[in-house]
Amino acid sequence: EVQVVESGGGLVQPGGSLRLSCVASGFILSDHYMHWVRQAPGKGLEWVGRITNKAAGYTAEYAASVEGRFTMSTDDSKSSLNLRMDSLKIEDTAVYYCIRVARGSRSYDIWGQGTVVTVSS
Amino acid sequence: DIQMTQSPSSLSASVGDRVTITCRASQDIRNLLAWFQQKPGKAPKTLIYDATSLQSGVPTRFSGSGSGTDFTLTINSLQPEDFATYFCQHYNGFPITFGQGTRLEIK
Repeated sequence: EVQVVESGGGLVQPGGSLRLSCVASGFILSDHYMHWVRQAPGKGLEWVGRITNKAAGYTAEYAASVEGRFTMSTDDSKSSLNLRMDSLKIEDTAVYYCIRVARGSRSYDIWGQGTVVTVSS
Repeated sequence: DIQMTQSPSSLSASVGDRVTITCRASQDIRNLLAWFQQKPGKAPKTLIYDATSLQSGVPTRFSGSGSGTDFTLTINSLQPEDFATYFCQHYNGFPITFGQGTRLEIK
């Protein structure tokens, strides 16, 4: 089955760090562009960032709200997309979704189930 | 940043109705727009991409139209499982932004 599964969420204090992982199965992660999108409790969707595929050099783009604090990376050996989150703020509290982009398209074709990040003292 | 404005914010409809949700971009985004459906406690699901293309597996009662700045999502013959929240999204450059959502409720 083609899917992505996020993990790594949890409770962290303001200023702390967390690393989310998104493990791909049923497809080759390095062939696809990938995105992270988050949703604060009771709110809408917010784009977090995008990383290109291996052929495009794993280039990342970030939302201004996370630029300089969040870093996306991939581990081909583990078919894993990672989101390193540093200097966390209360407003980073959200469900974080990992999303696959269809090859040859910009369509989001596979969504993960999400992982919950809570930033609180 | 490109602002995406959806209307209405919420609407009530009955099973069998036809509903239309609109999304307006603050500048020309060509056809680089997607629509998503989200049910409570669940991840969003992609319905439409490139403004008019139906995502694989999505029922044909869903359709999208528009280009430039004005877009619509139409649901023909509403089914009970269609009551959810709908979001539009542009991907004409960064940052990618979403509309605020439209909550579709049962009348």
